[in-house]
Amino acid sequence: EAGVAQSPRYKIIEKRQSVAFWCNPISGHATLYWYQQILGQGPKLLIQFQNNGVVDDSQLPKDRFSAERLKGVDSTLKIQPAKLEDSAVYLCASSFTGVPGYTFGSGTRLTVV
Amino acid sequence: QQQVKQSPQSLIVQKGGISIINCAYENTAFDYFPWYQQFPGKGPALLIAIRPDVSEKKEGRFTISFNKSAKQFSLHIMDSQPGDSATYFCAASKGGSQGNLIFGKGTKLSVKP
Repeated sequence: EAGVAQSPRYKIIEKRQSVAFWCNPISGHATLYWYQQILGQGPKLLIQFQNNGVVDDSQLPKDRFSAERLKGVDSTLKIQPAKLEDSAVYLCASSFTGVPGYTFGSGTRLTVV
Repeated sequence: QQQVKQSPQSLIVQKGGISIINCAYENTAFDYFPWYQQFPGKGPALLIAIRPDVSEKKEGRFTISFNKSAKQFSLHIMDSQPGDSATYFCAASKGGSQGNLIFGKGTKLSVKP
């Protein structure tokens, strides 16, 4: 089974620029998650999709972050404009309904300078 | 507010020894408690998980002990191996295995040969 694919692996941008991350979940996984992992901390949920509908986006900073999951498969997460404190690894994960646990991708490491 | 507190922050164990990592939670609505293992440059991978109606779960060398009244749970790694060297995260969810995971801050385990 192919894993969760994310791109790019690394991104360096200047503050106030915009950036987008892409995620392709495991085939058949209806639920998709975006987590933010700041260095030295555990991941924190930003948004959860069930198919192409949002289940939980309570911790998404909506003034600068947006996410979409068109057609219930791939997803993109965008930050505009970026701040220094957005430097983190952005992890995408997916899960299959009824099967415990998520599968995480390897993440995109964002550095904002 | 940190809902899941994890300790220790780092742990050094000799090969063949027992590694013990502890977590405490506050929200009694949590109903799913997984442990994740993360290697550098990779996303977290589900190791083992438990639900609050069970006091212990064992899978190979990994055991979760759960104390509902104390609101604590722990991971025991028996016969620790150098390949177990990684960062371990406890987590909790009130939406079952598909819900928003609240992660601890992680424990960096080093197993010395």
